[in-house]
Amino acid sequence: KAGVTQTPRYLIKTRGQQVTLSCSPISGHRSVSWYQQTPGQGLQFLFEYFSETQRNKGNFPGRFSGRQFSNSRSEMNVSTLELGDSALYLCASSLGLVGREQYFGPGTRLTVT
Amino acid sequence: GESVGLHLPTLSVQEGDNSIINCAYSNSASDYFIWYKQESGKGPQFIIDIRSNMDKRQGQRVTVLLNKTVKHLSLQIAATQPGDSAVYFCAENISAGGTSYGKLTFGQGTILTVHP
Repeated sequence: KAGVTQTPRYLIKTRGQQVTLSCSPISGHRSVSWYQQTPGQGLQFLFEYFSETQRNKGNFPGRFSGRQFSNSRSEMNVSTLELGDSALYLCASSLGLVGREQYFGPGTRLTVT
Repeated sequence: GESVGLHLPTLSVQEGDNSIINCAYSNSASDYFIWYKQESGKGPQFIIDIRSNMDKRQGQRVTVLLNKTVKHLSLQIAATQPGDSAVYFCAENISAGGTSYGKLTFGQGTILTVHP
């Protein structure tokens, strides 16, 4: 069974631009969670989607948004990029039940200059 | 608040030794815990999980211990190998739905270095 895939793997953007990242979960998984990983803050939860609905959201500004499609693929968007948005963005897929394991993709490394 | 912290940021061992990585969690409502391994340039890799109705769970060369009284979690790796060198994270979840959906709260991580 194929794992979680994320595209692109690397991205360089300029302040003020916007960016869209994509995540394809493991086949059969209906939940996708997104995390931001930085050296200073570690891994922080952004939001979770299940069956095209956002069920949970972390403490990030409204510039961070996402969506999920009927095939469970998910995208996250960051608008008006700031230097502090430079990070590794990880998505994780799961069956969608609470208290169950999540499987992570390789991440997208975003650099904002 | 909801936070999971690690006691030791770095751990250095010799190949063949047993390693113990510790984690303290602060949310007494947490009832599901996972250990992840993250190698450089990769996403976190699931190692083992444990629920709060257990105090010990074993996998292949790994054992997770849970002490709910002191809110402490540990990962034991037997016969540590150079390929075990990575950053190890503990993560917690509350299996009660609502604001728990899809949300794992991670610790800071411990860097494990295994010397040949």
